[in-house]
Amino acid sequence: DAGVTQSPTHLIKTRGQHVTLRCSPISGHKSVSWYQQVLGQGPQFIFQYYEKEERGRGNFPDRFSARQFPNYSSELNVNALLLGDSALYLCASSFLGTGVSDIQYFGAGTRLSVL
Amino acid sequence: SQQGEEDPQALSIQEGENATMNCSYKTSINNLQWYRQNSGRGLVHLILIRSNEREKHSGRLRVTLDTSKKSSSLLITASRAADTASYFCATRAQGGSEKLVFGKGTKLTVNP
Repeated sequence: DAGVTQSPTHLIKTRGQHVTLRCSPISGHKSVSWYQQVLGQGPQFIFQYYEKEERGRGNFPDRFSARQFPNYSSELNVNALLLGDSALYLCASSFLGTGVSDIQYFGAGTRLSVL
Repeated sequence: SQQGEEDPQALSIQEGENATMNCSYKTSINNLQWYRQNSGRGLVHLILIRSNEREKHSGRLRVTLDTSKKSSSLLITASRAADTASYFCATRAQGGSEKLVFGKGTKLTVNP
């Protein structure tokens, strides 16, 4: 079975541009979460979606937005890119997105470089 | 913000030795999970321990959880060069919060 897939794998943008990152969850998983990982740090939570509804949002500016589609895939959009947005963006899927035993499975990530 | 703090930040050992990594956290948790990351790629889930559990085993991995001290440890026995990676603990807070809160990680190097 396919794991979590993310596209593209690498992306180079310039300041002020907009970017869209895509994620396909594991088949049967209804929850998708997005994380940002800056070099040398652990991942930081950005968003979680479950059944197309936003269930949680981290401490990120409004330039960051996301949505989930009826097939449970998801997009993360970042507007007006800043140099500090350069990071590895990770998508994770889980069956429920909550509960004591729910595990989040991560994709390989999209590495975004903002010049 | 990061909740967990892994200790040590970096660990270098020889193949065959055991590796122990520690994690401390701040709030009451629902569960604690350990992940591995190779060279800045995706995270691989290793093991989940619930707040009412004290110890869990999976293959060469042993995880302990002490909720009174808000700490956990990950032991990798008989390490191999392929275990070289960064290891992160992640907590899910009580109250049904959806997000995982990660520490900064321990970078483990296993020398052949």
